[in-house]
This record gives sequence, C-alpha cells and structure tokens, in this order.
Amino acid sequence: GEDVEQSLFLSVREGDSSVINCTYTDSSSTYLYWYKQEPGAGLQLLTYIFSNMDMKQDQRLTVLLNKKDKHLSLRIADTQTGDSAIYFCAETGSGTYKYIFGTGTRLKVLA
Amino acid sequence: GAVVSQHPSWVICKSGTSVKIECRSLDFQATTMFWYRQFPKQSLMLMATSNEGSKATYEQGVEKDKFLINHASLTLSTLTVTSAHPEDSSFYICSFPVGGLHNEQFFGPGTRLTVL
Repeated sequence: GEDVEQSLFLSVREGDSSVINCTYTDSSSTYLYWYKQEPGAGLQLLTYIFSNMDMKQDQRLTVLLNKKDKHLSLRIADTQTGDSAIYFCAETGSGTYKYIFGTGTRLKVLA
Repeated sequence: GAVVSQHPSWVICKSGTSVKIECRSLDFQATTMFWYRQFPKQSLMLMATSNEGSKATYEQGVEKDKFLINHASLTLSTLTVTSAHPEDSSFYICSFPVGGLHNEQFFGPGTRLTVL
C-alpha cells in the first residue's frame, strides 16, 4: 500500500531556516499537503502543491516537489518559536478525499 | 475557514464502558466526514468514512462493531467506542472535506481517550 515517511525530529535555532523532508510511494498522488499540529489543536493546513508543480512559495514557506524521486520538502525561512509543532505531509489522489499521512516531524525551535 | 468542534476534548473511562465522541461542523454542511486515530508520536490513520444518512465505510482492520459511527445530520457525526479497553486509548480526530481545487479537509481539535 501507499506509504509516506518523514524524519521524526528536527531542532533549529530561532532565525535559521528549517527544512522538513517527506518521501512517498504513491506515483498517482495528485495533491501533496503540509499540515501543522500544535499541542491540543487540530491540524492546520499550511500549504499544498499540485503534482505537476515543482515549487510553491507562500511567504516564509517554500515547498519543493521532486516527482521523479517522490520527495517533498517544506522550508520555513526565519523560523520562530511559534513554529514549534509537529508537521505532517499528506498525499491524496485525484477524485478522492482519502489522505495518506506521513509519520510527522516534531520541530523544536530554540531561542 | 470552516470550524470543526469535537466533544469531549478528553475523556477517561473504565475498561468495558462505551464512550461517544461528537464531531460538529459549525459553519458548513458535510455529507461526508472522516474519523482518524492517532497513536502517540505516530501518524494519523484513517479509520472510517462517515456518510450522512447511510452506513459508514470502514478501513481494513477497523472493527465496525467496536467503533460505531453515526452521521445523523449534515453537521454532526458521532463515534462510539464500545466496550473500551486500554488498547483503545488514543487521540481521535474527525475531519470533513470542503471541496475546492485541492481536496482540502478541515480537522477537529481531537479527543484524547484514556481507558483505564
């Protein structure tokens, strides 16, 4: 079945850039998402990318997609303490709302 | 964006009892809702798709008699964990699709269930 993998932890200093990586196996993925989960809160959609795109930038967030290697990354510029959270990548295919979530990366931002 | 609430936010119960979790969409009507389960430090696993006015569709390996889902209206879906056991302790999250060009879902804040 489909599988989505992420590294479990990432620690960065405030002001530095963070890069969170994700690999997936489903070659028919249509949409790929990055969600943020803070303690006690639901998942918040940060950004998404369509599978025919290579890059998407949204303020401090840059998403890179390498479809050949099935690799997705999220870069957060000028990381702040408020960015500390768990970040999930997810993918879904065309015509379905079924998400396959990654294992989540816990980002810790050090002041 | 659309708001999703869950009630209760956390619950502790004794083994063998049943627990009902509510998921409400506050400003959106949804014919479909999703229920996920999240184990500590693990990913979200889709349990079932809740369909308004019809039976829920369960993912492989999820016991439908154990996890009863009722989607009684366009704004309310409930998940009942029947005869709960400690291994059912988990974080349960609901979501509903809001359509649009990128298949977005809105997620509830989750319910933490602890079974003693």
